[in-house]
Amino acid sequence: DGGITQSPKYLFRKEGQNVTLSCEQNLNHDAMYWYRQDPGQGLRLIYYSQIVNDFQKGDIAEGYSVSREKKESFPLTVTSAQKNPTAFYLCASSIDRGDETQYFGPGTRLLVL
Amino acid sequence: KQEVTQIPAALSVPEGENLVLNCSFTDSAIYNLQWFRQDPGKGLTSLLLIQSSQREQTSGRLNASLDKSSGRSTLYIAASQPGDSATYLCAVRQALYNFNKFYFGSGTKLNVKP
Repeated sequence: DGGITQSPKYLFRKEGQNVTLSCEQNLNHDAMYWYRQDPGQGLRLIYYSQIVNDFQKGDIAEGYSVSREKKESFPLTVTSAQKNPTAFYLCASSIDRGDETQYFGPGTRLLVL
Repeated sequence: KQEVTQIPAALSVPEGENLVLNCSFTDSAIYNLQWFRQDPGKGLTSLLLIQSSQREQTSGRLNASLDKSSGRSTLYIAASQPGDSATYLCAVRQALYNFNKFYFGSGTKLNVKP
């Protein structure tokens, strides 16, 4: 059963703490993405990766970091430098070709204690 | 820079009505336009994908049109049902240097009343 999984569903962060969100896909897609969604807003791109061991900053990368050591995995770390981390985080993947769609995971909601 | 706008932000209709959701974009140099559905607290599910060379796509009660030259797309939902209640987002895919980036609208929140 192919798809994208994200864990955990809910994540709580204490002030000054780094937390890591997991994203795994078994669709054999080269490209993976992290988006942030705030209430009533569209998705904003945090980071993307077009190939293993390579990733690029999106529009709002400050306070976040990623790695892409395996094709199927693209974890996102929300660092203590991100001052307003409360949001819904969505991971997606796609074939890196212009006419193709993106497939999304179920999301992780990050809350600050 | 590409900007995607969706109007209205929210819509409430009685069950059985036909309705239209609107999406506009500022740069017509796109690969495709896509409509997604998002249920509360969930990820996005693709509904319809229209390539830049196409004018419309249909799936069941849904019909999406694309007028690339005017930067507009509409999503038509026929005979709406309470199960259609969700947020609908449109997105365009565009080349940005060597990266095919998706630009999203902020969505239309639809409530279909029984």
